[in-house]
Amino acid sequence: NAGVTQTPKFQVLKTGQSMTLQCAQDMNHEYMSWYRQDPGMGLRLIHYSVGAGITDQGEVPNGYNVSRSTTEDFPLRLLSAAPSQTSVYFCAVRDRALASPLHFGNGTRLTVT
Amino acid sequence: RKEVEQDPGPFNVPEGATVAFNCTYSNSASQSFFWYRQDCRKEPKLLMSVYSSGNEDGRFTAQLNRASQYISLLIRDSKLSDSATYLCVVNQNINDYKLSFGAGTTVTVRA
Repeated sequence: NAGVTQTPKFQVLKTGQSMTLQCAQDMNHEYMSWYRQDPGMGLRLIHYSVGAGITDQGEVPNGYNVSRSTTEDFPLRLLSAAPSQTSVYFCAVRDRALASPLHFGNGTRLTVT
Repeated sequence: RKEVEQDPGPFNVPEGATVAFNCTYSNSASQSFFWYRQDCRKEPKLLMSVYSSGNEDGRFTAQLNRASQYISLLIRDSKLSDSATYLCVVNQNINDYKLSFGAGTTVTVRA
């Protein structure tokens, strides 16, 4: 039982390149989300999904796309990487129950040069 | 006003000391409350949920004060391994999956 798996763990991109951060869960939770965390700042919500086929924007969605074709997977796409997207990215999932906590993946550390 | 606010600290305490800190939330309708622990930009990990009557897990005690809209975390007999950033997390809308995060309170326990 892996929980929430993120790949890759580390990535270096050049400005303008595109890439996809992968997130997979085996917890069968409806809600999946992507956060970024920058030094000295809290977690900021990028995009989220409440089920397959349903996605919505969070607090900082610009420059990122998501899709949710299955319950298990929620990839985050950077269309044209910018240095401002250098950050640590976390995928997190939770059950629909009100008292259900968020479960996080190990994170992807992205550097854009 | 931010939805969830925490004193950033840092709280520097000696081993064995007690440390406590609060987190305030803006929405009086908030239903679920959690404390997470985060080590040096690793993923946040659930420390404990916070229940209406307050709850304890070993050396950690969490309280909820709905009237004043804050939750608290108390750590007794601090260990070096308790050094971390503690995140307050609140579900502010019963109809919403999204959780609101505080920016974190840093605790450093010294020998």
